[in-house]
Amino acid sequence: DSGVTQTPKHLITATGQRVTLRCSPRSGDLSVYWYQQSLDQGLQFLIQYYNGEERAKGNILERFSAQQFPDLHSELNLSSLELGDSALYFCASSVELGASDEKLFFGSGTQLSVL
Amino acid sequence: DQQVKQNSPSLSVQEGRISILNCDYTNSMFDYFLWYKKYPAEGPTFLISISSIKDKNEDGRFTVFLNKSAKHLSLHIVPSQPGDSAVYFCAASASFQGAQKLVFGQGTRLTINP
Repeated sequence: DSGVTQTPKHLITATGQRVTLRCSPRSGDLSVYWYQQSLDQGLQFLIQYYNGEERAKGNILERFSAQQFPDLHSELNLSSLELGDSALYFCASSVELGASDEKLFFGSGTQLSVL
Repeated sequence: DQQVKQNSPSLSVQEGRISILNCDYTNSMFDYFLWYKKYPAEGPTFLISISSIKDKNEDGRFTVFLNKSAKHLSLHIVPSQPGDSAVYFCAASASFQGAQKLVFGQGTRLTINP
């Protein structure tokens, strides 16, 4: 158990809909990262938050947004969903910010299926 | 633009033999490299890492080798065990504008045959 909690584990929805994925980081971790894993793809970095502030953006679509709340949990909002958004979405957390050797602790992911 | 590449989607190895997983990167700014292991229905977990100032790091059955001139790293597992069957992700890291930039490869599915 990594200590990172993601809910829900599975989500099935239709095209055009909006969903929210939730992540609770490990106790004490201030950084939260969101990653997307599509079929045959590696882990694509979406966005990072540190202590409530956005710190880095990756390949995140404009239809996607995220935030980190004062209690440090994070939510990833996906709107106007398309079939191609079907993927495994991972949240990860770490203690610090900016260290190259910082190890990430991953949740078990949310499997999103857009039908 | 795939900055970190794992060119072998899958690898099958006999139990007890050596497993060698390869990874190539393109960006010289990366200064730390990590391997993560992923079982089905679980998130990736950290396995082993190496700083760019080293060329080898060993932890039990796992050894990571780094060849900076070739921008290549490899993970050796010896002896391989059935429990090593998993997807292995190579990742390269750099500090960039106060944030960690961590780029993952596509993963290699390792199967250890009894």
